[in-house]
Amino acid sequence: SYVLTQPPSVSVAPGQTARITCGGNNIGSKSVHWYQQKPGQAPVLVVYDDSDRPSGIPERFSGSNSGNTATLTISRVEAGDEADYYCQVWDSSSDHPYVVFGGGTKLTVL
Amino acid sequence: EVQLVESGGGLVQPGRSLRLSCAASGFTFDDYAMHWVRQAPGKGLEWVSGISWNSGSIGYADSVKGRFTISRDNAKNSLYLQMNSLRAEDTALYYCAKGVRKWLASFDYWGQGTLVTVSS
Repeated sequence: SYVLTQPPSVSVAPGQTARITCGGNNIGSKSVHWYQQKPGQAPVLVVYDDSDRPSGIPERFSGSNSGNTATLTISRVEAGDEADYYCQVWDSSSDHPYVVFGGGTKLTVL
Repeated sequence: EVQLVESGGGLVQPGRSLRLSCAASGFTFDDYAMHWVRQAPGKGLEWVSGISWNSGSIGYADSVKGRFTISRDNAKNSLYLQMNSLRAEDTALYYCAKGVRKWLASFDYWGQGTLVTVSS
């Protein structure tokens, strides 16, 4: 089965740039989606199809995907960005596609 | 405004069954895929099952295959998850999520979840 690997934690000072990686075998050939989840809340889609942003998501959130690594980049980090972030893909290599989530990365704003 | 409201969770003994429901509103329900995603206490997200707009495509995680059944009623704007032979490891908050497209895409709206606890 397809595996997505995320670092358990990332720390960044306010105003700096946070980069959260998502590793997978040839992930560059798949569409990667990213979700933000704050404590006690449902996940929120922040980036879809590698680099597109849903309406209402700040331009500070961006994504890229190439080779074996996808990256969520959060520029000018704010205290309110502190949350868990999950990457997600579909594995369509078989007749029965299924969804894979990464293990999640806790972003701490110092 | 898109709303997804889950119901049907609760405390159930191992081996028993439970049926979750998700009432959708604020969008054309039969234009989009729908999914169930769960989160065990203190753990990450796990996709459980998904169903395409017309029920023509259905998928399950290996962990629930053969025990859970997803279905939808487009006339009632509702999504369901029939859970049989429940195990302790099925204990989680179960989210209903709307797909961005008819199938194979991201999830743009989520409900607040319904808690399922499997314990004797």
